[in-house]
Amino acid sequence: SQTIHQWPATLVQPVGSPLSLECTVEGTSNPNLYWYRQAAGRGLQLLFYSVGIGQISSEVPQNLSASRPQDRQFILSSKKLLLSDSGFYLCAWRDTTGSRGNTIYFGEGSWLTVV
Amino acid sequence: AQSVTQLGSHVSVSEGALVLLRCNYSSSVPPYLFWYVQYPNQGLQLLLKYTSAATLVKGINDFEAEFKKSETSFHLTKPSAHMSDAAEYFCAVSDPYNFNKFYFGSGTKLNVKP
Repeated sequence: SQTIHQWPATLVQPVGSPLSLECTVEGTSNPNLYWYRQAAGRGLQLLFYSVGIGQISSEVPQNLSASRPQDRQFILSSKKLLLSDSGFYLCAWRDTTGSRGNTIYFGEGSWLTVV
Repeated sequence: AQSVTQLGSHVSVSEGALVLLRCNYSSSVPPYLFWYVQYPNQGLQLLLKYTSAATLVKGINDFEAEFKKSETSFHLTKPSAHMSDAAEYFCAVSDPYNFNKFYFGSGTKLNVKP
């Protein structure tokens, strides 16, 4: 069966420091991958999605970036964090083959607090 | 373009009472619709989904939702609330021609009183 993992689960970083959140999916090939951010009381905001290695689509302009160095690996980064980057970050995947292709499945999430 | 509106950011029910969480959508094409549940400090879990088959969709934990095109609604119901149902619930709409476009509502926190 397919599983998704993201880490770290919790992160406290000072303003201006770099960020790296990592996500991997197991048990599938060529998934579509997503990064969402969830701010308090504001629902989920799609940040980036990727349909393949090296292919990144950005939904919201910001100081975050994403990369997909391997088929089942998705990384969210920042060179310099802002206070407004605080939130709950969720990685998700979608199976591009078979009947599950129309559903997005989520990882456990990563809490980022910028201080 | 698609969008989702969830009426009521907080809903409180007594244990054993009916749960009704409201979701209205806007879509320029026949949508796919989803309900997810999020327990504290966890990711989202799929409860159920509508993908143009039966309009009444049954999901896990006795939840169900009915797609009503005329009302552009996809409300989530459960006949009898349990304490374990306390969580945040998100409605989502997807463009069936571009599954990378998933749009979520702002969520409804369900509180279940003993």
